[in-house]
Amino acid sequence: DTGVSQDPRHKITKRGQNVTFRCDPISEHNRLYWYRQTLGQGPEFLTYFQNEAQLEKSRLLSDRFSAERPKGSFSTLEIQRTEQGDSAMYLCASSRRGPSTDTQYFGPGTRLTVL
Amino acid sequence: KNEVEQSPQNLTAQEGEFITINCSYSVGISALHWLQQHPGGGIVSLFMLSSGKKKHGRLIATINIQEKHSSLHITASHPRDSAVYICAAASRAVNTGKLIFGQGTTLQVKP
Repeated sequence: DTGVSQDPRHKITKRGQNVTFRCDPISEHNRLYWYRQTLGQGPEFLTYFQNEAQLEKSRLLSDRFSAERPKGSFSTLEIQRTEQGDSAMYLCASSRRGPSTDTQYFGPGTRLTVL
Repeated sequence: KNEVEQSPQNLTAQEGEFITINCSYSVGISALHWLQQHPGGGIVSLFMLSSGKKKHGRLIATINIQEKHSSLHITASHPRDSAVYICAAASRAVNTGKLIFGQGTTLQVKP
């Protein structure tokens, strides 16, 4: 399977703990996006990488959130000191570099529950 | 007011009916995407369009750039079409391709 993969698929944690999610994009894609989706809502943009460079971050991404894409391949999203409001589906998507009109391919998401 | 608005939020149809989901946006766009999301979270891209009309099987997407409006039509609907349909705008203002999403339309097609 050469699609976008995310790990883990589900994560349950206690408030105050740190969590880290991983995204493996399609191999030739150098654009990578993280989105967050809460129940009953559409996804919201969190951050964007072109290769290893993080070029845009949403104001939603507080200083408890950090994302990396160290070698321009896989990416990690870490949330420190989790809060109940962080409970959501975290989606990763990738696309080829090119016009901004490229199709984005989404991973299955990581569902985070903060108790 | 959200930058991308969809209507209706919920839609129930009988199998075989013609379905229309509408999307209005307030930002300048480089492209408008229609996405499908099944229970469990997986999102699949259905269409990406910047003008005119596209067709894939029983699905048709249209866009009117002047009116900042797009529609997704499903002909001869089937229970397997039941899903959340989301429109998303790729803003022309930034060249990152990031998407601004509508809130989604939950479609249930009954047999």
